[in-house]
Amino acid sequence: QVHLVQSGAEVKKPGASVKVSCKVSGFTLTELAMHWVRQAPGKGLEWMGGFDPEDKGVIYAQKFQGRVTMTEDTFTDTAYMELNSLRSDDTAVYYCAAEGSSGSYYSWGQGTRVTVSS
Amino acid sequence: DIQMTQSPSSVSAAVGERITITCRTSQAFSTYLNWYQQKPGKAPKLLIYATSSLQSGVPSRFSGSGSGTDFTLTISSLQPEDFATYYCQQSYSAPYTFGQGTRLEI
Repeated sequence: QVHLVQSGAEVKKPGASVKVSCKVSGFTLTELAMHWVRQAPGKGLEWMGGFDPEDKGVIYAQKFQGRVTMTEDTFTDTAYMELNSLRSDDTAVYYCAAEGSSGSYYSWGQGTRVTVSS
Repeated sequence: DIQMTQSPSSVSAAVGERITITCRTSQAFSTYLNWYQQKPGKAPKLLIYATSSLQSGVPSRFSGSGSGTDFTLTISSLQPEDFATYYCQQSYSAPYTFGQGTRLEI
């Protein structure tokens, strides 16, 4: 049973960067394909990017290309999502999720609230 | 990008009723359609994957079907804990888009 625990809430100013962590337990990170999904207040779910097992690399939604970096530390089994040049519309809850059968996300972190405000 | 359109956007129902939520996609595929349930302040929870496969631990009153561009999530007999928001998601082609959500209210 995989368990994902994310880092705590962040408050950032416009133009700053944020790095959210996602600690994996129950499995090793090398056994998982991790993805990141965000949800703005009162809005739906938005896929940001994740590991593509076929390409064996990270793919990003075009909307975030050049502004987001997803990395992994296999020694600590921790995944990271860093988002740069933050804007007020980046205010959202950010989730990590583990990919399962047919590309579904069967395990989710608890979410990290990121607030961007001057 | 594959567009996902859920209907209805919200629905009111009573305990014991049967409800169906529809997800229409802008591109046809068969098995890469997933359904999630989300309650306020909580992370989404996987209910159905690959169109019709029930995730382990999910009650059998949840079922999924469909192919092509039309998919459905059915809850056969609503229970109090089922009142939540439901999202479909396609995992056929990146970006892996979600529907806008269907809010199920009492």
